[in-house]
Amino acid sequence: DAGITQSPRYKITETGRQVTLMCHQTWSHSYMFWYRQDLGHGLRLIYYSAAADITDKGEVSDGYVVSRSKTENFPLTLESATRSQTSVYFCASSELNHEQYFGPGTRLTVT
Amino acid sequence: AQSVAQPEDQVNVAEGNPLTVKCTYSVSGNPYLFWYVQYPNRGLQFLLKYITGDNLVKGSYGFEAEFNKSQTSFHLKKPSALVSDSALYFCAVRDLNSGGYQKVTFGTGTKLQVIP
Repeated sequence: DAGITQSPRYKITETGRQVTLMCHQTWSHSYMFWYRQDLGHGLRLIYYSAAADITDKGEVSDGYVVSRSKTENFPLTLESATRSQTSVYFCASSELNHEQYFGPGTRLTVT
Repeated sequence: AQSVAQPEDQVNVAEGNPLTVKCTYSVSGNPYLFWYVQYPNRGLQFLLKYITGDNLVKGSYGFEAEFNKSQTSFHLKKPSALVSDSALYFCAVRDLNSGGYQKVTFGTGTKLQVIP
């Protein structure tokens, strides 16, 4: 199916564990993004990527790592999860200067 | 630096009445403005955008938005609200004149409640 998918949709993990959230898009969009959504903060950019092997930090990148070896995939890794990383994470994609298309989100709880 | 403000956390409107969700922005250059909608447990969906041209922009589901440069506003409107319009609405802005990757800044969202 065409679109943007995220997995898992729900994840519970413990403090200190490494967690990877997956994102896959079928449009071959150049740009991909990771956001977190928290009450009162709206959407905050974690990382973005302009193309395969090109990534850059957003406003809240501490504690997160990304990679983009293929255009269609953009995994986000929490190296050592903390309770403050409990959030809903959204992946998005777009072409330059166009609107973004969002995935369904991953609800992550860190205990 | 660019920013966007949605001054109302929640807007209540009766079904059939016109609705307005407010957004103001700040950019140093020319703005590229968006509205997105988020239904419960879903990702954001694109509604409409403004780059240049006619100040009244029409989008999905009967929504429209009016760009006002002097007031730096981009309010979302619909002539007749439906209960199914109840959702969280986000305004977003990008500075067209900034160099490199032009980051999009999202507002904190406005919850629209349409009352039957």
